[in-house]
Amino acid sequence: AQTVTQSQPEMSVQEAETVTLSCTYDTSESDYYLFWYKQPPSRQMILVIRQEAYKQQNATENRFSVNFQKAAKSFSLKISDSQLGDAAMYFCAYDPGGGADGLTFGKGTHLIIQP
Amino acid sequence: GAGVSQSPSNKVTEKGKDVELRCDPISGHTALYWYRQSLGQGLEFLIYFQGNSAPDKSGLPSDRFSAERTGGSVSTLTIQRTQQEDSAVYLCASSLGGLAGGHYTDTQYFGPGTRLTVL
Repeated sequence: AQTVTQSQPEMSVQEAETVTLSCTYDTSESDYYLFWYKQPPSRQMILVIRQEAYKQQNATENRFSVNFQKAAKSFSLKISDSQLGDAAMYFCAYDPGGGADGLTFGKGTHLIIQP
Repeated sequence: GAGVSQSPSNKVTEKGKDVELRCDPISGHTALYWYRQSLGQGLEFLIYFQGNSAPDKSGLPSDRFSAERTGGSVSTLTIQRTQQEDSAVYLCASSLGGLAGGHYTDTQYFGPGTRLTVL
């Protein structure tokens, strides 16, 4: 079974600074998909970024970028120019593709933004 | 248009009662997923529908849980004889499904969840 590990239960960063959230995963598959989701106190799980394992280029979405290291099975999220609205739980998720297995989530990292 | 919607937003029930949780996916999304989020277990995948069919129900926590989807749209998660350990947030997600260029293209979009409290 696949596992996803987020080793940082909580991270704190000053507003406008950069922070990196860590995620490692375990799989025997070669083709799969990785996601970062953000969950603010409103409970709504919001997609932040998606990475296809077959793509070597790291995904970026505005201030959010990933460092995808396939051999190391590592998928970290970098948030640049942190804003107060970035405060939330961040979940790393693995998807083997095809839909039927659902997403496997890490335990999450609570990101605090210091004004 | 609209995103995934779920109702009710919050549900408080007494132990032993039955509850129904509803999910309305994004229009045109053929795949639908249910997850449970609890403090002890984190986020757990429960069941997946492609159209009205759920090929694998083994993720449901017990036989008190059932789910159905009708008309390829709205889905209902039913919990019979609720227990205190069923207290959690139940999240629904939907996705377009499909392949592009030989690769799976799906991304799941989540609803706001239903917080279930069993007293």
